[in-house]
Amino acid sequence: NAGVTQTPKFRVLKTGQSMTLLCAQDMNHEYMYWYRQDPGMGLRLIHYSVGEGTTAKGEVPDGYNVSRLKKQNFLLGLESAAPSQTSVYFCASSYKDRVGSNQPQHFGDGTRLSIL
Amino acid sequence: GDSVTQMEGPVTLSEEAFLTINCTYTATGYPSLFWYVQYPGEGLQLLLKATKADDKGSNKGFEATYRKETTSFHLEKGSVQVSDSAVYFCALRRGSNYKLTFGKGTLLTVNP
Repeated sequence: NAGVTQTPKFRVLKTGQSMTLLCAQDMNHEYMYWYRQDPGMGLRLIHYSVGEGTTAKGEVPDGYNVSRLKKQNFLLGLESAAPSQTSVYFCASSYKDRVGSNQPQHFGDGTRLSIL
Repeated sequence: GDSVTQMEGPVTLSEEAFLTINCTYTATGYPSLFWYVQYPGEGLQLLLKATKADDKGSNKGFEATYRKETTSFHLEKGSVQVSDSAVYFCALRRGSNYKLTFGKGTLLTVNP
């Protein structure tokens, strides 16, 4: 069972370049999230999705875009990378159970992104 | 807004020592509380959780009790092992909201 898979695992970009990070989950979870992790800052929510075709802004959305065209995939895009976006990016997914209780989030292993 | 405050690390212990990592929170209502662990090079894994006051979450020898009167959820383990070396995150989720608010994380290093 793969769980949450992120690609790529590592990437180095130059300032101004664009790229897309892919998150795929095979657990049929409704909710998906993108976080960034920076030293001394914990995890901060960038964008999230409550279902296929829907996205919403999190705590630090500026400079990022997302899309959820398929339920199992959640893409994070950087249109014009900046050094301030150097970080480790984590994707997560979750669901509500039959009685409507939110279940804990499952995380991928992260993508380490460096912007030069 | 919601916030989580964890004790600052790093924390360095010898094997078999007692561990406490403090966590306090600020949130309206009755949030659910979580501890996540991140081993080197990996993503976060749920360690334990508690969903209401006085609940005790436990897993792999770790415990934490939801204390509403002190708005705390301190993580404890009676005897740590080298394999417990990791970063530990306290987090909360408020009500029916599905978003998590994380603390900054505490790095634990256990020496043999």
